[in-house]
Amino acid sequence: EDQVTQSPEALRLQEGESSSLNCSYTVSGLRGLFWYRQDPGKGPEFLFTLYSAGEEKEKERLKATLTKKESFLHITAPKPEDSATYLCAVWEANDYKLSFGAGTTVTVRA
Amino acid sequence: GAVVSQHPSRVICKSGTSVKIECRSLDFQATTMFWYRQFPKQSLMLMATSNEGSKATYEQGVEKDKFLINHASLTLSTLTVTSAHPEDSSFYICSARGQGFYEQYFGPGTRLTVT
Repeated sequence: EDQVTQSPEALRLQEGESSSLNCSYTVSGLRGLFWYRQDPGKGPEFLFTLYSAGEEKEKERLKATLTKKESFLHITAPKPEDSATYLCAVWEANDYKLSFGAGTTVTVRA
Repeated sequence: GAVVSQHPSRVICKSGTSVKIECRSLDFQATTMFWYRQFPKQSLMLMATSNEGSKATYEQGVEKDKFLINHASLTLSTLTVTSAHPEDSSFYICSARGQGFYEQYFGPGTRLTVT
């Protein structure tokens, strides 16, 4: 059973059209939930860490939120440069590694 | 802060030769380093985890004699692909985590092509 599920797989947006990406997770204890951005041919770039339900983090047009079962990454008024694959990962208590979702590929058209 | 570098960014080698990839944490001490492999349009697959001065822990299905990992210092880990074959061609990415913080910071990746 997958621990981390991201939806949708792909998202095509018009510039300025706000939207949200979902990351649902099933772990027995959450040590942290992480959002990364990955551009083609590059390593993931760290965006946010969320530790507990109710927590929110913001950076420019991105806002990440966390509940007990899922996290959302909101993109407000996106620009073409926000086009990338966004990866969600969870660090479960008593584990040494991250569990990654499959990612959501966002394409923003001008 | 929290910058991780990898070298080389691209490498092409002949089948049967060995290739070494370096991963460095530039502005923090990495107590734990991770090596991932990524296939086209897929997510990251963890290959192994290493702690400074200790032997690496390999994930199930990863051949430890083929993918040699050395974490000799708090800022450097190396991955050596021994006797490379075309099926080893892939995008290899390292990440590092420092003591006292939870985040993993990733390097830019190395594209390996075995001909």
